[in-house]
Amino acid sequence: AQTVTQSQPEMSVQEAETVTLSCTYDTSESNYYLFWYKQPPSRQMILVIRQEAYKQQNATENRFSVNFQKAAKSFSLKISDSQLGDTAMYFCAFGGGGAQKLVFGQGTRLTINP
Amino acid sequence: GAVVSQHPSRVICKSGTSVKIECRSLDFQATTMFWYRQFPKKSLMLMATSNEGSKATYEQGVEKDKFLINHASLTLSTLTVTSAHPEDSSFYICSAIPRGNEQFFGPGTRLTVL
Repeated sequence: AQTVTQSQPEMSVQEAETVTLSCTYDTSESNYYLFWYKQPPSRQMILVIRQEAYKQQNATENRFSVNFQKAAKSFSLKISDSQLGDTAMYFCAFGGGGAQKLVFGQGTRLTINP
Repeated sequence: GAVVSQHPSRVICKSGTSVKIECRSLDFQATTMFWYRQFPKKSLMLMATSNEGSKATYEQGVEKDKFLINHASLTLSTLTVTSAHPEDSSFYICSAIPRGNEQFFGPGTRLTVL
């Protein structure tokens, strides 16, 4: 079974700083997807960024980028120029190639301070 | 983007009663929907995979007679919590996949059982 581990329960940075959230996973599959989701106080899950395992190039979405290390099974999220609106719970998730089910990590509560 | 709605957003019921939660895909058809449960300050745990026109697939440890899932159309899945008890109080979230591997999440339903 797949597992996803987020070792940072909480993080706090100043506005405009860069912050990196860690995520490791374990799987025996070769074809899979990795995701970072944001859950603000409204509790609506929002997709931040997605990475296909077969792609070597790290995904980027504006201020958000990932460092995908397939051999190490590591998938960290970097938020550049952090904004107050980035304050939320962030979940790393693993999606198998066929089943489409998601396995979530424990989450990291990120607070951006003014 | 794809929109998933849930109804109700919040429900309070007495112990022993049953509660139905609806999940609708508003602008796409979804043959597969997922139901998650989230405890306060915790991660999302997959409860079951809802398949249109067939029986749901439940995750290990989830009581299928307790949590009845019906996916009667390509745009609607329902979760019925039967004979609810206080320990069933939680935040229930559904999701659907319109294309590819990206899941779109509903806004969630907060269930409180008195």
